[in-house]
This record gives sequence, structure tokens and C-alpha cells, in this order.
Amino acid sequence: DTEVTQTPKHLVMGMTNKKSLKCEQHMGHRAMYWYKQKAKKPPELMFVYSYEKLSINESVPSRFSPECPNSSLLNLHLHALQPEDSALYLCASSQFGTANTEAFFGQGTRLTVV
Amino acid sequence: LAKTTQPISMDSYEGQEVNITCSHNNIATNDYITWYQQFPSQGPRFIIQGYKTKVTNEVASLFIPADRKSSTLSLPRVSLSDTAVYYCLVGDSGNTGKLIFGQGTTLQVKP
Repeated sequence: DTEVTQTPKHLVMGMTNKKSLKCEQHMGHRAMYWYKQKAKKPPELMFVYSYEKLSINESVPSRFSPECPNSSLLNLHLHALQPEDSALYLCASSQFGTANTEAFFGQGTRLTVV
Repeated sequence: LAKTTQPISMDSYEGQEVNITCSHNNIATNDYITWYQQFPSQGPRFIIQGYKTKVTNEVASLFIPADRKSSTLSLPRVSLSDTAVYYCLVGDSGNTGKLIFGQGTTLQVKP
């Protein structure tokens, strides 16, 4: 199984809502990532978890809150988002958590903030 | 982190070989070079990775000169389904775990 599964595929939320994005992998990878991608732009790194601990936060606003409950799951909790946060949110995993190893990406969650 | 520079876009025709070059002048000794492909509304997909000389797999070849300051992704006999964005990434030898994407090259394959 070389899949990274993200749910939901699409999400529409109001600016006062609280929602969560979920990501799951069963490849035994010890590094997991969240990316944000706007239209016609490259993926932008948000967070990196290594061995279930947050190792990188790329100065992401606190309205985005990551969580890694176990080595297979990664969540992104959303609260009080702004319309400009609308984007494709991608989850990825890799075996060793270095940029020299292959990363596997999910299909993403298309988020629309209204 | 080593910065990468790629052409913004390229056009090709079906059946042609496509070469996309990436410049990475500040590549560090321990860095690998990795290429990803991304279709619209999908996550990037690993294509190929190399350290030096030439690497070939079932979908592409990667050519890396001796100074490693650039690399060329070669796609043989492209088809319409190869229309995508191609990203060149250079590994972070500091092992901080950052996987940073540059601007990428949008390849348009025409019939």
C-alpha cells in the first residue's frame, strides 16, 4: 500500500466554523507533511512531523493547528479561517523525513472558505 | 537550502523527447536531486532521483553533470498525458526535513 489518503476531498466552511482535515498512511513512514497550494503556484510547506513530533512550523498562523495522534495519522484543525485560506491542502509522507527521500502525496483537500 | 531555477513553461508535440533543465548552483555535497510531476488538482508524484551522472527508470532519465550545478530531466516520446507541471527539488543536506518546491515547469504536450 503506497497510498496517502486525505479526507474530505472537498470542504466548504464559514469563517466562524471549526473543521479538521485528515491524512492517513500505512507505509510505516515516520515523517508527515502538510502543504498549502494556491492555483498555479507550487506547494508551500506548512508543517513537518518527524516521529510524531512537530519538527517544522513554517510560521503558519495559529488558525491552523496540526496534530499527529499516531504514526499513521495526521490532522489539520482549522478555526476562524479567512477567504484567502481557500486552497488545495496536501498531505505527504516519507520514510526518513529528509528531502533526499521520496515523498508520497495524497490527492489533497480542496478547501473553500466563505 | 539550494535554490532551483527552471523554465516557467515548455511546449512539445506527441512522440517527441522533452528535456527540462534545472539550475541549482548552490547544491551541497550531500544533496540529491529529485523531480516530481503534478497534474491539476492532484498531489505531486515522484518521478526520479539522482546524485550524479545518469539515472534511468521506466518513465524518465536524469542527467547530472560532474559539477552538479544543473540537471536535466528527459522524458522520451511524450504523450498528451504527460502534460503537467514538473518540479525540480534539491535535498536539504542539513536534514531539517524541509521539502521545498520551486516554481516548476509547465509542460504542454500538443497533438
